[in-house]
Amino acid sequence: DAGITQSPRHKVTETGTPVTLRCHQTENHRYMYWYRQDPGHGLRLIHYSYGVKDTDKGEVSDGYSVSRSKTEDFLLTLESATSSQTSVYFCAISEAREYGYTFGSGTRLTVV
Amino acid sequence: DQQVKQNSPSLSVQEGRISILNCDYTNSMFDYFLWYKKYPAEGPTFLISISSIKDKNEDGRFTVFLNKSAKHLSLHIVPSQPGDSAVYFCAASYNNNDMRFGAGTRLTVKP
Repeated sequence: DAGITQSPRHKVTETGTPVTLRCHQTENHRYMYWYRQDPGHGLRLIHYSYGVKDTDKGEVSDGYSVSRSKTEDFLLTLESATSSQTSVYFCAISEAREYGYTFGSGTRLTVV
Repeated sequence: DQQVKQNSPSLSVQEGRISILNCDYTNSMFDYFLWYKKYPAEGPTFLISISSIKDKNEDGRFTVFLNKSAKHLSLHIVPSQPGDSAVYFCAASYNNNDMRFGAGTRLTVKP
């Protein structure tokens, strides 16, 4: 009954390769978000979506792109992975901020 | 530019005592504040929130206090339990699109 799943859970990739992370929800929530978590920085917003095909940049969007072709799926793409993108990535969904966000379990990405 | 700050990376308390986690923010446009709890290898989970029109919100053992003039909020956990040991994130927003998080405080509750 997770409501939100992320795949893969772990990935190791080489510098310069493209990587796509997937977020899937079954809650039919309007808003979806991608965050990265790094020590000393907490969670920082990469991109968000407020509807199908409606996306916008967050505070750390450089080097990332997103797509949302269906309500339930939100993809995060690293066009050419760099070591600075080694992080734990969290997807979140929300119907309204008053209810808080529901986060996925995270994807640990290592770029070597 | 970190708009939400948690200046204590860690906090250790004895079981049964009060835990107080603090958070400061700089953006006066923030009007909704939330606390999340995170266990290792899991995503954060929503704990409690408060609107800027209030100065206190309570949910069981958890109470959040907001001091708008000081741009400060705190989370009180009474009594603290070993299962409360986790990383706590403070968050703030002014719309549905952009929620800012602090760096987190690791709470350890000792039996």
